[in-house]
Amino acid sequence: SYELTQPLSVSVALGQTARITCGGNNIGSKNVHWYQQKPGQAPLPVIYRDSKRPSGIPERFSGSNSGNTATLTISRAQAGDEADYYCQVWDSSSVVFGGGTKLTVL
Amino acid sequence: QLHLQESGPGLVKPSETLSLTCTVSGGSISSSTYYWGWIRQPPGKGLEWIGSIYYSGSTYYNVSLKSRVTISVDTSENQFSLNLSSVTAADTAVYYCARQGLGDHVFDYWSQGTLVTVSS
Repeated sequence: SYELTQPLSVSVALGQTARITCGGNNIGSKNVHWYQQKPGQAPLPVIYRDSKRPSGIPERFSGSNSGNTATLTISRAQAGDEADYYCQVWDSSSVVFGGGTKLTVL
Repeated sequence: QLHLQESGPGLVKPSETLSLTCTVSGGSISSSTYYWGWIRQPPGKGLEWIGSIYYSGSTYYNVSLKSRVTISVDTSENQFSLNLSSVTAADTAVYYCARQGLGDHVFDYWSQGTLVTVSS
């Protein structure tokens, strides 16, 4: 079965740029979606189809996808961006989630 | 604005069947451009997809849960349901229902989630 690999944690200084990766075999050929989840809340899509932002998501959030790695980039990180982030794809008639990355804003 | 709300018992005994229903409001479950999915999250852990259903009744299930899962849809009530049989403590989780795009499979609307505990 298809697997997505994310780092367990990423730290970023306030105002700097955070990059969260999602690795998978030839993931560049798939649509990758990213979700933000804060404690006690449901996941919220922040990027879909690799790089598109849903309505209401700040331009600070961007995404890219090529080869074996998809990346979520958060520019000018704010304290409110501290959360868990999950990548997700569709493969062989199944939804696959990455294990999640905890973003800490220092 | 689309709204999804789960309902069902918060406590289930081991070996019994977990049953949840998701009621959709603000939109039709019979839309041809969406699936409707169930996702769960054990306490302190990541997201796990359980399965998804189209309004016609066609389903996709997580292979690891397929033998215990049934998802059904009731278009007249604008609801879809999850049955998970032979539960154990490992099935304790927050259960979410969500709308899933037909083409790209993004979950764009989620329920608030409901904690189901498996315990005697």
